[in-house]
Amino acid sequence: DSGVTQTPKHLITATGQRVTLRCSPRSGDLSVYWYQQSLDQGLQFLIQYYNGEERAKGNILERFSAQQFPDLHSELNLSSLELGDSALYFCASSVVTLGTEAFFGQGTRLTVV
Amino acid sequence: SQQGEEDPQALSIQEGENATMNCSYKTSINNLQWYRQNSGRGLVHLILIRSNEREKHSGRLRVTLDTSKKSSSLLITASRAADTASYFCATDGGYSTLTFGKGTMLLVSP
Repeated sequence: DSGVTQTPKHLITATGQRVTLRCSPRSGDLSVYWYQQSLDQGLQFLIQYYNGEERAKGNILERFSAQQFPDLHSELNLSSLELGDSALYFCASSVVTLGTEAFFGQGTRLTVV
Repeated sequence: SQQGEEDPQALSIQEGENATMNCSYKTSINNLQWYRQNSGRGLVHLILIRSNEREKHSGRLRVTLDTSKKSSSLLITASRAADTASYFCATDGGYSTLTFGKGTMLLVSP
């Protein structure tokens, strides 16, 4: 158990819908990362927050947004969903922003039908 | 975009053999990490090597780093069936966050 909790574990929704994925980082970790993993794209970095502030942005679509709350949990919002958004979405956390290991949650498997 | 690229994409060996995976990256780094992922599950950190280190060991794992060639290798000695997984390298530095390669799928047959 990494100490990172992601909910829900599975999500099936229709195209055009909006969903929210939630991540609770490991106790004491200030940095949260979101990644999308699909068979053809591999593990794509989406966005990183550190202590509530956006730290780095990767290949995140405009239809996607995220935030980190004062209690350090994070949410990833995916809207106007398309079939191609079907993937595993991982959250990871680390103590600081760089130079330390990241701890991954078990992921949310999103299926858009 | 990926910073690291692992090679080979897939590797199949017998139990007891050694497995070597390579990672190449593009920009300067602060450190390089290796992670393991069992099918469909979260990634697990294996080892971190800093840019001023050349080699590091952890149990049956040996990692080397050559910053002049922008490459790293992960050696798993005396492989076991339980080592079957995907292995990813991750770097931080040029992209200011932790970015991963596409991974090497390792299959260890009994």
